[in-house]
Amino acid sequence: EIQLLESGGGLVQPGGSLRLSCAASGFTFSNYAVNWVRQAPGRGLEWVSGIFAGGGSTYYADSVKGRFTISRDNSKNTLYLQMNSLRAEDAAVYYCAKSAGYNSAWTFDYWGQGALVTVSS
Amino acid sequence: DIQMTQSPSSLSASVGDRVTITCRASQSFSTYLNWYQQKPGKAPKLLIYDASSLQSGVPSRFSGSGSGTHFTLTISSLQPEDFATYFCQQSYNNPFTFGGGTKVEI
Repeated sequence: EIQLLESGGGLVQPGGSLRLSCAASGFTFSNYAVNWVRQAPGRGLEWVSGIFAGGGSTYYADSVKGRFTISRDNSKNTLYLQMNSLRAEDAAVYYCAKSAGYNSAWTFDYWGQGALVTVSS
Repeated sequence: DIQMTQSPSSLSASVGDRVTITCRASQSFSTYLNWYQQKPGKAPKLLIYDASSLQSGVPSRFSGSGSGTHFTLTISSLQPEDFATYFCQQSYNNPFTFGGGTKVEI
């Protein structure tokens, strides 16, 4: 059974930093791109960042570029999102999402349960 | 950025109804379009990929169609477990944008 389990969410002050982790199991993690997608309370979905299987290619939404860094450790089957210079508008549930395959890197077939990030003073 | 516009934003329906949700893109991109279902407090679930391909395990009452800029998700006979919010998403160009969602309620 494919599982994605996020951790690291919490309350942070504006301008602060947080690192999210996503532990993957049930599939060959090193063969798939993985992504972060967020959802502000009561709002829609926003793709945040993605990283290809080998970790050499990373992609970001303009809203987080330069502040967030995606990375992965294939030996630990874990995805990360380092979030710096956090703003109120970054507050959301952050989902880890697995890409469907090589030709479907931006189709998300499995999602974690989400990690809540609150940005407030 | 490609803007994805869903309509309606919400709809009321009954069990057994045929329901159609529309998604329009601000630029054409063939069939790089996915549909997700989300229930309250849960993660989204992939229903349809590549505009019309049914994800494994998804009931056949769900179907998708369209290409270019106009796409539809159809539920042929609404079931109680289908009351949820549905999102379209383009997988063609960074940023991989989602529609605003359609809430299907009783």
